[in-house]
Order: sequence, then C-alpha cells, then structure tokens
Amino acid sequence: QVQLQESGPGLVKPSETLSLSCTVSGGSISSYYWSWIRQPPGKGLEWIGYIYYSGSTNYNPSLKSRVTISIDTSKNQFSLKLSSVTAADTAVYYCARGHPLRYCSSTSCYLAFDYWGQGTLVTVSS
Amino acid sequence: DIQMTQSPSSLSASVGDRVTITCRASQSISSYLNWYQQKPGKAPKLLIYEASSLQSGVPSRFSGSGSGTDFTLTISSLQPEDFATYYCQQTYSYPYTFGQGTKLEIK
Repeated sequence: QVQLQESGPGLVKPSETLSLSCTVSGGSISSYYWSWIRQPPGKGLEWIGYIYYSGSTNYNPSLKSRVTISIDTSKNQFSLKLSSVTAADTAVYYCARGHPLRYCSSTSCYLAFDYWGQGTLVTVSS
Repeated sequence: DIQMTQSPSSLSASVGDRVTITCRASQSISSYLNWYQQKPGKAPKLLIYEASSLQSGVPSRFSGSGSGTDFTLTISSLQPEDFATYYCQQTYSYPYTFGQGTKLEIK
C-alpha cells in the first residue's frame, strides 16, 4: 500500500522560506507525478505544482516565482520550497501522487491524485 | 485558468437519499474531471477519475457522468459515512483547478 508522509516545520516567519518533504513508501517513485496541494483553513484546495520522477516540473503560475519542487529518487522523497511567505501562505499542505490517465499533450498531463499524505499545517507568523 | 463551479455549495440530505452534485467548467475539459471526498481533518480521497471511472475500492453507489463543461457526481443511496465535502478537479490544462466544494450535511 502506497503511503505518503509530509514533514517539516509547522511555523515559518514572514518573508522566510517554507520547506517541506514528502516520503513515499510502499511503492516506486518512478512513472508518477508527485504533487503539492494546499488548503487554507476553512477554504478550498489549490494545486501548487508537480515534479515527474525524471525531474521535470510544472508549477501553478500564481506561485511559480516563489516555488521549487525537487525530487530525490534514491530516498523516495520529494520536496517543496516556497519563498517569501506571508500569512496568506498559511495552510494545510498535502503531498499527493498524480497517476497519469494517458499520454501528456502539449497543454497538460492528465492526472488523477490517487494517494495523499495526511497533510501538515504550516502557519506563517512572527 | 479554467474555473470550476460546483452547485450547490451545501446540501442537506437524509440517509438513503439519492444526491446529485454538479460541477461546471468555464471551458471544455473533455472528460478530464476528477471527484474527491474530504472529511474533516483528513486528506481528500479520490472517488471518480476521468468523469465516470470509479476508483478502486470506492463503493458502487458513487457514480460520475458528463463531458465537455458539465459534470455530475451522484450518490445513489446516502450512507452515514458519506457526509463530507466533495470537490471536483480538472486536469485538462494547467494550472489544475478545483471547484469550491460542496458540503453534504445530515438533514
């Protein structure tokens, strides 16, 4: 059974960098799209971006200037860095596995997120 | 960005009821529409992918339909464990976007 587990600080100061890791167990990191999704308290879901096991990435334009997603296939881990955080970045951060439904086109890789971590609350506050 | 609009935003229903939730995309997304269920304090769970395919392990009382811009999630006979918030999501084009959610409550 595939399991994902987020880890990282629960409190980050404004203007600093949020750093989270996600460890994948029970399955291979190959051939999937590994994603970060966040949910501000009491609000809806926002896709942050993904990294393919080969290292290619795609980010939400609304966050692109501040986001870096990286992967370490030897450790079955992938990571999120979000720079220059503000209170608006306070959210539960989920890592998730994107399962490809078919080949990618020029406009998208068609995915379904079939495994999720439990989520970790990150609060931005001084 | 493609906007996903769910209706209703909240819904009260009873155990045994048949319930339908609608999701509308601001432009055609073919069939690249997923549905998720989220319970309080938990991660979302994939129910339906590609508009109408039932995820492994999900009860058959859940079904999805639609293509283009209009989609529905139907629960044929509500069970106590189905009271949750439901989200649709498109992965037709970047950035992937979610609907605002439909909260299903017990009447």
